[in-house]
Amino acid sequence: GEDVEQSLFLSVREGDSSVINCTYTDSSSTYLYWYKQEPGAGLQLLTYIFSNMDMKQDQRLTVLLNKKDKHLSLRIADTQTGDSAIYFCAGSGSARQLTFGSGTQLTVLP
Amino acid sequence: DAGITQSPRHKVTETGTPVTLRCHQTENHRYMYWYRQDPGHGLRLIHYSYGVKDTDKGEVSDGYSVSRSKTEDFLLTLESATSSQTSVYFCAIREDTEAFFGQGTRLTVV
Repeated sequence: GEDVEQSLFLSVREGDSSVINCTYTDSSSTYLYWYKQEPGAGLQLLTYIFSNMDMKQDQRLTVLLNKKDKHLSLRIADTQTGDSAIYFCAGSGSARQLTFGSGTQLTVLP
Repeated sequence: DAGITQSPRHKVTETGTPVTLRCHQTENHRYMYWYRQDPGHGLRLIHYSYGVKDTDKGEVSDGYSVSRSKTEDFLLTLESATSSQTSVYFCAIREDTEAFFGQGTRLTVV
């Protein structure tokens, strides 16, 4: 099955850009997703990218997909303290279920 | 929140007791999922459903059963709760390309 890996922690200064990386194993994943989880809350869908795309931009968020290397990244421009959260990448598998990485804890320092 | 309600939101139960968690949706989506979230593991799929009375196992299904007798309700049952099932449980629905999550149920087995 799908295996998705992420680095566990990332710290950035407020106003800088954040880049969260993810690698996956299943090249047949049709869609790849980024979710945000704030403390005590559920998962909020941030954005997703179709597997035949290389890049998707949505306001401060930019998703890059390198299919050859099976690498996905999420760039957050002008990172704010409200962006502090856990970020999960996920790939879609058969029966449309999602396989998640372990999550990256983003800490934004003032 | 895509019309997803989980109940209860918090529960403490004793080892060996049965527990049922409920996921209710208002949008009539075909696909529903149960995940558990544990530190260092991200979210792992327990069971999923692709229609009324159509369910299948996920990655960590041992000790869990599910039922879906109506489109809007997907029940997760721990037949005999164990301490290893202490976790946060999330229900999700799939709407075309996007998946949305409930707010979660925090279950503690003592």
